[in-house]
Amino acid sequence: KQEVTQIPAALSVPEGENLVLNCSFTDSAIYNLQWFRQDPGKGLTSLLLIQSSQREQTSGRLNASLDKSSGRSTLYIAASQPGDSATYLCAVLRGAQKLVFGQGTRLTINP
Amino acid sequence: GAGVSQSPRYKVAKRGQDVALRCDPISGHVSLFWYQQALGQGPEFLTYFQNEAQLDKSGLPSDRFFAERPEGSVSTLKIQRTQQEDSAVYLCASRYSGTGLNEQYFGPGTRLTVT
Repeated sequence: KQEVTQIPAALSVPEGENLVLNCSFTDSAIYNLQWFRQDPGKGLTSLLLIQSSQREQTSGRLNASLDKSSGRSTLYIAASQPGDSATYLCAVLRGAQKLVFGQGTRLTINP
Repeated sequence: GAGVSQSPRYKVAKRGQDVALRCDPISGHVSLFWYQQALGQGPEFLTYFQNEAQLDKSGLPSDRFFAERPEGSVSTLKIQRTQQEDSAVYLCASRYSGTGLNEQYFGPGTRLTVT
């Protein structure tokens, strides 16, 4: 059974810092990996999608990497801002259909 | 363009009542997914449709849960005889294709509280 773990569960940093969120998964036979953000009481916003054949994806201040062989992904956020405060979820796609999510990292950026 | 919409946004049901949750996917999206998110947890897969066909319902927790997408567009998740453990946020997602090449786009969710 695929399990996805995110560490840390919560993170608080001052504004302007660069930070890394970690995601690990137990079964390397994934189709792709997707990073989302979720604001309180809201749905999920897709941030980055990395196909299994790719190593990384970038969007603005965000960079996500994927190492299938070790079962790890990282989300790098550069020059963090208070508006980045949210819960960040990673999810792996199994069998092209079913997303398996981690429990998320709750990020707080302090002004 | 319009994203995935869900209604109602909030639903309070007494234990034993039936509820119906609606999802309007992005127009033209072939795939539709339902997930359940308990408080403080990541979403968990419930079921998947490709057009009107329900191809995977392995995540439905009991036979009280039923989903349909009769015309390959709008979907309804029905929960019969609701129990307190059904309290959660129910998220719907849609995807352009039937393959895994594209992202899943999520709606705002329906928060169900069973009292």
